[in-house]
Amino acid sequence: QQQVKQSPQSLIVQKGGISIINCAYENTAFDYFPWYQQFPGKGPALLIAIRPDVSEKKEGRFTISFNKSAKQFSLHIMDSQPGDSATYFCAASSQAGTALIFGKGTTLSVSS
Amino acid sequence: NAGVTQTPKFQVLKTGQSMTLQCAQDMNHNSMYWYRQDPGMGLRLIYYSASEGTTDKGEVPNGYNVSRLNKREFSLRLESAAPSQTSVYFCASSPTSGSPYEQYFGPGTRLTVT
Repeated sequence: QQQVKQSPQSLIVQKGGISIINCAYENTAFDYFPWYQQFPGKGPALLIAIRPDVSEKKEGRFTISFNKSAKQFSLHIMDSQPGDSATYFCAASSQAGTALIFGKGTTLSVSS
Repeated sequence: NAGVTQTPKFQVLKTGQSMTLQCAQDMNHNSMYWYRQDPGMGLRLIYYSASEGTTDKGEVPNGYNVSRLNKREFSLRLESAAPSQTSVYFCASSPTSGSPYEQYFGPGTRLTVT
């Protein structure tokens, strides 16, 4: 049973556009929701994360929107750049020091 | 400060062979993890160690064993490799205090079993 569902599987956005990736979760015990960015041949790297006590978190061009009642959260990349082309994973966890449950990933391609 | 390091970077095994994937971190983190990544599947947890001396199974532990050698090192062993274990393996670590949820990943080991 997949606990974190991510969509879309792939996304093509023009340079300067907004990229939006969505995730939905089932386990209401989750209390930490990170987004990871992965470039080809590299390990995932933490991009931005949110706790359920806030509805939005912004870091530069990256924003997480969180809807606790709908059990959904999303990543918005403003002014998308070719250097943002990567695979993005949402994840969730219910306890520090235990597993992150990952979505299946979204491959983003930003065309110039 | 190298972060999380993994060896080897690439490995080809024949079915039935054994090998150990090595992982080390220099960030004084208590928790360490092994994930596998397969196309279209995201990352799935194999085993984790919340602290030195403890290990727990994750989502896909069958066919693997782990050893938390000390606080720095966490190894993953394939006793009898199978083609289904062809994957990219990532080690990660996280602190206990400060930002205990944040996991830091190594560069991965790309394993092919023929």
